[in-house]
Amino acid sequence: DVKVTQSSRYLVKRTGEKVFLECVQDMDHENMFWYRQDPGLGLRLIYFSYDVKMKEKGDIPEGYSVSREKKERFSLILESASTNQTSMYLCASVSASDTQYFGPGTRLTVL
Amino acid sequence: GENVEQHPSTLSVQEGDSAVIKCTYSDSASNYFPWYKQELGKRPQLIIDIRSNVGEKKDQRIAVTLNKTAKHFSLHITETQPEDSAVYFCAARAMNRDDKIIFGKGTRLHILP
Repeated sequence: DVKVTQSSRYLVKRTGEKVFLECVQDMDHENMFWYRQDPGLGLRLIYFSYDVKMKEKGDIPEGYSVSREKKERFSLILESASTNQTSMYLCASVSASDTQYFGPGTRLTVL
Repeated sequence: GENVEQHPSTLSVQEGDSAVIKCTYSDSASNYFPWYKQELGKRPQLIIDIRSNVGEKKDQRIAVTLNKTAKHFSLHITETQPEDSAVYFCAARAMNRDDKIIFGKGTRLHILP
């Protein structure tokens, strides 16, 4: 069974804080993705990575950065959190057969 | 880039009836079309997918059809049950394996007793 874990289920931060969201997968997948999920907007891709130290911008990368130092770990960084970044953040790891395995999500609230 | 449109945004059907959710895509190079189900408070999970070399795929009460000419694909759920209530997302991905998967905005399916 593929396991994708995220560092926190719920997180509350203040405007201007630096926020780290971590995602870890245990299946040696090369491709990993970060999405945010908002009501009525579906899943929007922030960044993705198809190899260690590789990263590609998704559809809404502004205000975010990522880090992939190890294959199993893909981190999403909010350099200076803002209230419009309050959202559910979902990480996904992709198998060779293209199936996306999602983590449980982190509900981030920025006050 | 790819654009995926999904309709309807909300769908209510009587238990036992069929439900159909439709998606269109823009990139003719797209060749992989998965469907994900997200139950309340849970993570999305793959329920069925189809590749561009087939026109239909079935798995028990769930089927997906693909019309490459019209660039649309649909999810069909027959004999709906209460546990089918969830948000369903369609998605499309182009041929290059480094290409991202683009999701539709989702359909909230309500199964009425």
